Amino acid sequence: RKEVEQDPGPFNVPEGATVAFNCTYSNSASQSFFWYRQDCRKEPKLLMSVYSSGNEDGRFTAQLNRASQYISLLIRDSKLSDSATYLCVVRPRGYNKLIFGAGTRLAVHP
Amino acid sequence: NAGVTQTPKFQVLKTGQSMTLLCAQDMNHEYMYWYRQDPGMGLRLIHYSVGEGTTAKGEVPDGYNVSRLKKQNFLLGLESAAPSQTSVYFCASSNRGETQYFGPGTRLLVL
Repeated sequence: RKEVEQDPGPFNVPEGATVAFNCTYSNSASQSFFWYRQDCRKEPKLLMSVYSSGNEDGRFTAQLNRASQYISLLIRDSKLSDSATYLCVVRPRGYNKLIFGAGTRLAVHP
Repeated sequence: NAGVTQTPKFQVLKTGQSMTLLCAQDMNHEYMYWYRQDPGMGLRLIHYSVGEGTTAKGEVPDGYNVSRLKKQNFLLGLESAAPSQTSVYFCASSNRGETQYFGPGTRLLVL
C-alpha cells in the first residue's frame, strides 16, 4: 500500500466549477501536510500547507481529518490557469523528509 | 536570486555509462535532496543531506551516489547507468522544518 494515495484523475472541469481532491495517508504519526502544484514538465511548487483546523487561501481551501487520515483540497471558481497536477505531501513526525502522492491531474476547459 | 539550479537539463546515456548531475542553491539552505519522478508514482527520495559533508540514504538509493563537499552544491552520481534509471530527477533544498524548493529537473534517458 502506498504511503500517500490520491485519485490520479484526470478531473476535467469547466471554468468556474468547484472541484475537490482527496488524499489518504497511512502513517498515523505524520505531522505536517501540504499541497504542492506541478505544471506540465515543471518542478513542484508549494501551493499551501494544511493545518488541523483547515485553512483557506483565496479560492483554495484545505482540510485535514487526522482521525480518518484524510486530506482534501477544494478549488472554487476554477480558472484555466489552475490546470496542473496537484500533489498531496506528508511529513512524518521527527523527519525532514517529505512523502509525495502520485498526484491528481486537473484540466480546466473554457 | 536563482534559487535552485540543475545541470544538465537533458541527458541521454547508454547502459553502463556514468554521469554526474549537479544541483546548486543560493538560499543558504542546510538541507538538500535528490528525488526521482516516474509516471504514476510520486517523487521518491534517492539521497539527502542535512549539512555540508553529510549524506544519507533515502527510499531508493541503489545505483546512485552523492556528495556534498560545499554547502551550496549537491551532486548525484550514476556509476553504471541502467534503463531503469530513466526518469526525471529533481533536486530540492530547505532549512529544517521549512518549505522545500525544487530545481527545474533533469530528464535522463538511458538506452
